[in-house]
Amino acid sequence: EAQVTQNPRYLITVTGKKLTVTCSQNMNHEYMSWYRQDPGLGLRQIYYSMNVEVTDKGDVPEGYKVSRKEKRNFPLILESPSPNQTSLYFCASSLAGAPNQPQHFGDGTRLSIL
Amino acid sequence: AQSVTQLGSHVSVSEGALVLLRCNYSSSVPPYLFWYVQYPNQGLQLLLKYTSAATLVKGINGFEAEFKKSETSFHLTKPSAHMSDAAEYFCALRGAGSYQLTFGKGTKLSVIP
Repeated sequence: EAQVTQNPRYLITVTGKKLTVTCSQNMNHEYMSWYRQDPGLGLRQIYYSMNVEVTDKGDVPEGYKVSRKEKRNFPLILESPSPNQTSLYFCASSLAGAPNQPQHFGDGTRLSIL
Repeated sequence: AQSVTQLGSHVSVSEGALVLLRCNYSSSVPPYLFWYVQYPNQGLQLLLKYTSAATLVKGINGFEAEFKKSETSFHLTKPSAHMSDAAEYFCALRGAGSYQLTFGKGTKLSVIP
């Protein structure tokens, strides 16, 4: 089954404790992206990647890091989480050569930073 | 710069009534437009997409949307609401030549029995 898998689904942690949210897709997609969803703000893009070793900032990259060492994986790293990063996070992927193709989304990761 | 505006953060309709969710966009290049639905505790699922082949686009679950360039709109409709349609709906835009997806702020649809 074609899917985007995020882990963990839920995480409560404390300020300053490094964490990683993993994202993996099995559709051989080149393009992958991270979003955060906050009430009243919709989804905002954090980082995206056009292919292995190619990443770029989205609209709200501050406080986040990403890496793309393998095509299927695109982890989101919070080196020193802060309470304003409490949010619902989504990973998405799509074919890179076809911008008319939709992005496929994971089920989300709800992060609470205390 | 591109942007998406969804009019009404919350829309309530009676079961069996027409559903109309509004989306207006701004883009300096021809847009690709999408509607996504999000059910509670789930990710976003594609409802339909406009990619310039036809202005009236049919999607899943009986939804459809019409692209109107003169009005820069891509409103989502369904003739008869079902209880199962209660969810949050997002309109999104991708400009030609770009892979960045810009989302509206979402419209939460409630269906009253």
